[in-house]
Amino acid sequence: NAGVMQNPRHLVRRRGQEARLRCSPMKGHSHVYWYRQLPEEGLKFMVYLQKENIIDESGMPKERFSAEFPKEGPSILRIQQVVRGDSAAYFCASSRKGAEAFFGQGTRLTVV
Amino acid sequence: QKEVEQDPGPLSVPEGAIVSLNCTYSNSAFQYFMWYRQYSRKGPELLMYTYSSGNKEDGRFTTQVDKSSKYISLFIRDSQPSDSATYLCATHGNAGNNRKLIWGLGTSLAVNP
Repeated sequence: NAGVMQNPRHLVRRRGQEARLRCSPMKGHSHVYWYRQLPEEGLKFMVYLQKENIIDESGMPKERFSAEFPKEGPSILRIQQVVRGDSAAYFCASSRKGAEAFFGQGTRLTVV
Repeated sequence: QKEVEQDPGPLSVPEGAIVSLNCTYSNSAFQYFMWYRQYSRKGPELLMYTYSSGNKEDGRFTTQVDKSSKYISLFIRDSQPSDSATYLCATHGNAGNNRKLIWGLGTSLAVNP
């Protein structure tokens, strides 16, 4: 059983471009969480999704950020018009209902 | 007050020492408690997962949850240099928005040979 797969592992974008981060949860997992980790800081919750539903997006910036978890395919975290402050590691985790969460290896976004 | 408090360290111990890592939390609705280990530039790796109060042991790792004092501990016996990492505690409640993981900031541990 493959773990949580995130791609790309590293992403470089110029200011103003769009960044798309993908997360394929573990088989049988219908819950996905996205977190951001800035250098020398802890994990910050961004959004919690179930298939086709956003359950909690209280950690998402109000503008430029969006997330989806469609019925088929990976969960996508999209950042529009990236700025330097968006540079961070973005981690995705998945779980079954009522069970522990497992993390992917993250996508490191660098905005130049 | 943060929902989960964790001393960031750094904590430095000699190889073979017993390590004690701790977190406190504020919301009595939290029911599930986890410890994750994160190596530099890697994703967090689940070490221990417990429900409600009590102790749980897995190899050299033991976790304790005291819900009356809202205190979570992780003990590492016979610590090894390979245990050098950041250790994060996390918790969540049962349903709805309480399902999102609430994290401590992590404690940096160095085990010196």
